[in-house]
Amino acid sequence: KNEVEQSPQNLTAQEGEFITINCSYSVGISALHWLQQHPGGGIVSLFMLSSGKKKHGRLIATINIQEKHSSLHITASHPRDSAVYICAVRFGNDMRFGAGTRLTVKP
Amino acid sequence: DADVTQTPRNRITKTGKRIMLECSQTKGHDRMYWYRQDPGLGLRLIYYSFDVKDINKGEISDGYSVSRQAQAKFSLSLESAIPNQTALYFCATSDLSFDEQFFGPGTRLTVL
Repeated sequence: KNEVEQSPQNLTAQEGEFITINCSYSVGISALHWLQQHPGGGIVSLFMLSSGKKKHGRLIATINIQEKHSSLHITASHPRDSAVYICAVRFGNDMRFGAGTRLTVKP
Repeated sequence: DADVTQTPRNRITKTGKRIMLECSQTKGHDRMYWYRQDPGLGLRLIYYSFDVKDINKGEISDGYSVSRQAQAKFSLSLESAIPNQTALYFCATSDLSFDEQFFGPGTRLTVL
């Protein structure tokens, strides 16, 4: 069983819709990361958080440590948000990654 | 210029060949990482280094070795490549251990 589970695996939305991607993990962690992988393959770090909530532009990330769950929200989605979103957790000197959520936003 | 570069970007090789993937960074970070990505499995940590004298195995180090030649350079070697090492390989760096990471563009390796 993977320590990090993401849902959904694939998500298609219309431009302007509110998007939620979920991440659940089964181990005690020191931090959780959200990454974005562009269609060309490049990976960019979006957020790192260990509690509460962070916001950057139209992206919001939340984490509930007690429930071992995090969500990534995208408000007013746009076709340029189409990418694979990856959740990763740090525990000790190790990182474990979810398989990713492929988001397609249609105009 | 990109802060984290990887060479080569694409490589096709044959079973049994020795392969070296190179990573260079201009961010001045001490921490460097090598990951592989397989479809449906996500990224997995191969090796990481917290400074030039510190090398550590990750989740899937078997069949791989690394060399930290300088703060800015971290190389990954496959001593004898096998087909199940066909994957996309990423190098990354961070200022603090497993903190926000900056990824290279990836190397697509195919072992025939």
